[in-house]
Amino acid sequence: QQQVKQSPQSLIVQKGGISIINCAYENTAFDYFPWYQQFPGKGPALLIAIRPDVSEKKEGRFTISFNKSAKQFSLHIMDSQPGDSATYFCAAPALRGQLTFGSGTQLTVLP
Amino acid sequence: KAGVTQTPRYLIKTRGQQVTLSCSPISGHRSVSWYQQTPGQGLQFLFEYFSETQRNKGNFPGRFSGRQFSNSRSEMNVSTLELGDSALYLCASSLGGLDQPQHFGDGTRLSIL
Repeated sequence: QQQVKQSPQSLIVQKGGISIINCAYENTAFDYFPWYQQFPGKGPALLIAIRPDVSEKKEGRFTISFNKSAKQFSLHIMDSQPGDSATYFCAAPALRGQLTFGSGTQLTVLP
Repeated sequence: KAGVTQTPRYLIKTRGQQVTLSCSPISGHRSVSWYQQTPGQGLQFLFEYFSETQRNKGNFPGRFSGRQFSNSRSEMNVSTLELGDSALYLCASSLGGLDQPQHFGDGTRLSIL
């Protein structure tokens, strides 16, 4: 059964700092790796995703890096802001319509 | 474009009862996936429907079932509720391919007394 291991479980950074969350997968049905951001009382919202044709994707302050040989991918949040405080989930597709999620990282950005 | 809508937002039930949750996907999306989210187990896949057919099913007991209608709206049913079924139930819609993004609703918070 596919597993996605996410670390760290929680992360505290100062405003303006860099937040880094890492994920490792065992198998995937397809090299497509989305990251989701979830605020309390809300469903996960798609933040950014990477496809196999690139090893890095950047959208604003958010960057995904992908290392296929190591089966790892990571999320970098540059210039972290208090509004970024949320729970972040990485995911990998197991089958069509089925994502396997990491266990989540609770990020707190201190003002 | 309207997002994924789940109703109701909150439900309180007692053990042994059954419950039906509803999900309206984004217009044009034919795939609806259901997930259970709990603090201990995280996000776990329940099942996925595409064009009214269940394509995939997670490792949950038969008490959890679902269906999809011709307009892509989906319902999930849980029978003989147990205390451990207390969770946030999320649905997500997508175009259905492996690399198609899934968009989530805000979930139904189910509490079992």
